[in-house]
Amino acid sequence: GDSVTQMEGPVTLSEEAFLTINCTYTATGYPSLFWYVQYPGEGLQLLLKATKADDKGSNKGFEATYRKETTSFHLEKGSVQVSDSAVYFCALSLGNTGNQFYFGTGTSLTVIP
Amino acid sequence: GAVVSQHPSWVICKSGTSVKIECRSLDFQATTMFWYRQFPKQSLMLMATSNEGSKATYEQGVEKDKFLINHASLTLSTLTVTSAHPEDSSFYICSAREAPRRQGPQYFGPGTRLTVL
Repeated sequence: GDSVTQMEGPVTLSEEAFLTINCTYTATGYPSLFWYVQYPGEGLQLLLKATKADDKGSNKGFEATYRKETTSFHLEKGSVQVSDSAVYFCALSLGNTGNQFYFGTGTSLTVIP
Repeated sequence: GAVVSQHPSWVICKSGTSVKIECRSLDFQATTMFWYRQFPKQSLMLMATSNEGSKATYEQGVEKDKFLINHASLTLSTLTVTSAHPEDSSFYICSAREAPRRQGPQYFGPGTRLTVL
């Protein structure tokens, strides 16, 4: 069935390190792909999105490219900051109405000074 | 833009009482809203999809009579946890999709932490 698989955490990085969080998906149609971020005690915030193959979503220094050939949407950032510490969720949206929404299990990131 | 609010942000109640959580889209109309439940350090579990003017669609295993959902307008959906018990304690998050965009993002509320004593 349709699903999203994220790399397991937790991930701990030093400030200014390079970040990659892997996300792959399985979908019967042509999904839209998203990354959400959840800071402690808060709801989810949309970080970036891509709606078709080869699209690159970017926001706040984070990037992810919709790769249809590898069914992936890996999240990257060149230089992480302490304030990036959060849980990151990969998600996909499917269906004519887009109401089929699938989340990955989340990857916890801690950035240490 | 695309702000979703929830009220209350946290609530503590006694076992057996009912609790209502409101979800509002503040600057857009949402024909569809979603209710999720999140346990500590886990992903979101979709409970139900709420459509304005019609009955909610519940996910398998979610009790309709326990989690009452009403989507009275294009900007408001409510979740009522009836006869709450300690096992209902959780973080409840709503989201909304801007009408009529298909496959657009869901915008999430800040969540409501429910503690049942």
